[in-house]
Amino acid sequence: QKEVEQNSGPLSVPEGAIASLNCTYSDRGSQSFFWYRQYSGKSPELIMFIYSNGDKEDGRFTAQLNKASQYVSLLIRDSQPSDSATYLCAGNQAGTALIFGKGTTLSVSS
Amino acid sequence: EAQVTQNPRYLITVTGKKLTVTCSQNMNHEYMSWYRQDPGLGLRQIYYSMNVEVTDKGDVPEGYKVSRKEKRNFPLILESPSPNQTSLYFCASRYRTSGLTDTQYFGPGTRLTVL
Repeated sequence: QKEVEQNSGPLSVPEGAIASLNCTYSDRGSQSFFWYRQYSGKSPELIMFIYSNGDKEDGRFTAQLNKASQYVSLLIRDSQPSDSATYLCAGNQAGTALIFGKGTTLSVSS
Repeated sequence: EAQVTQNPRYLITVTGKKLTVTCSQNMNHEYMSWYRQDPGLGLRQIYYSMNVEVTDKGDVPEGYKVSRKEKRNFPLILESPSPNQTSLYFCASRYRTSGLTDTQYFGPGTRLTVL
């Protein structure tokens, strides 16, 4: 069974700190990944798409992909209370199917 | 405004009564998908479509049907709903180019309760 795994959390960080969210995957054929943010009762919002090994930065967010070690991470700099949400990692299987992790809950305290 | 719309947003129905959840996107995307989200199980793909008249099963297709007769619409059909299909459903629309660009947007969700 091809899986994407995330620590469910909650991950608690103080306002202004760096939040680090991690995701591991079992399918070596997965070539690219998404990070989404989901507020309770709302639909997932796209944060980042990454397909190359290394880092990709977008504002306060940095995604890191390491295909050799089969992990993807998301760093959130200068965390704000409004970043409190569940963060979903998803891997692209061959073709167009996406496999989602169950998400990590982040809590940012002011 | 680029968007994915779903209707209805909330639905309470009874076992066995056929229903359709509509999904429409205005971004001319080729790929569309349906997901369900359940506590503790996360988001699971039900069906996806790569273009008009091209659909394929996701992880949990049992009890669902889809059709893609037009590029913008991708309805989800439950011919005989059962209580275990009570869930939060999301439609998604996706644009990809050779793996280098990939964006998937979700609709607002449909909360379905089957009694």
